[in-house]
Amino acid sequence: DAGVTQSPTHLIKTRGQQVTLRCSPKSGHDTVSWYQQALGQGPQFIFQYYEEEERQRGNFPDRFSGHQFPNYSSELNVNALLLGDSALYLCASSVPRALLLYGYTFGSGTRLTVV
Amino acid sequence: GIQVEQSPPDLILQEGANSTLRCNFSDSVNNLQWFHQNPWGQLINLFYIPSGTKQNGRLSATTVATERYSLLYISSSQTTDSGVYFCAVVRWETSGSRLTFGEGTQLTVNP
Repeated sequence: DAGVTQSPTHLIKTRGQQVTLRCSPKSGHDTVSWYQQALGQGPQFIFQYYEEEERQRGNFPDRFSGHQFPNYSSELNVNALLLGDSALYLCASSVPRALLLYGYTFGSGTRLTVV
Repeated sequence: GIQVEQSPPDLILQEGANSTLRCNFSDSVNNLQWFHQNPWGQLINLFYIPSGTKQNGRLSATTVATERYSLLYISSSQTTDSGVYFCAVVRWETSGSRLTFGEGTQLTVNP
């Protein structure tokens, strides 16, 4: 049973460029959340997608946007990259009706470096 | 929003020692998870424990929801236990849910 898969694993971009990160949820999960983890800090919630809609959003600017597809996979897009966007981006999947039983499952992340 | 504080921030042990990591949270929560982040960045779920006590091998966790804290116990530590341990809490809302993480405890186990 595949867990959460993210691609690419590493990425280097230049300031001002745009980037797209991808996530496939664990089999049976229909909700995808994205988190940003700066070096030495805990992950910060970006947004959550369920039924192809953004359901919740953290304190991130509109440069961060996302999408969920009918197969529950998701993309995170970041426009006009800043040096401060360099971080590990983590995707988590879950089943809302079973959070108490199964919690969230995380992927291995995409390490984005902006130069 | 809800605040999550973890202590200690750093912990260095000799192999075989026991340790206790603490997580305090500022408001009532629906669930709490402990994670171990390996050197490659993956967050490995250890426990989801909104209340009570759970055990898994050398690890156990206790959450006292009424007093808003959780403890993670590691017994007979091994070098492979090294890494960052995160506590994260969940509050459900009508629109969905989110994890709020603490800043983590960096554990180093020396041989």
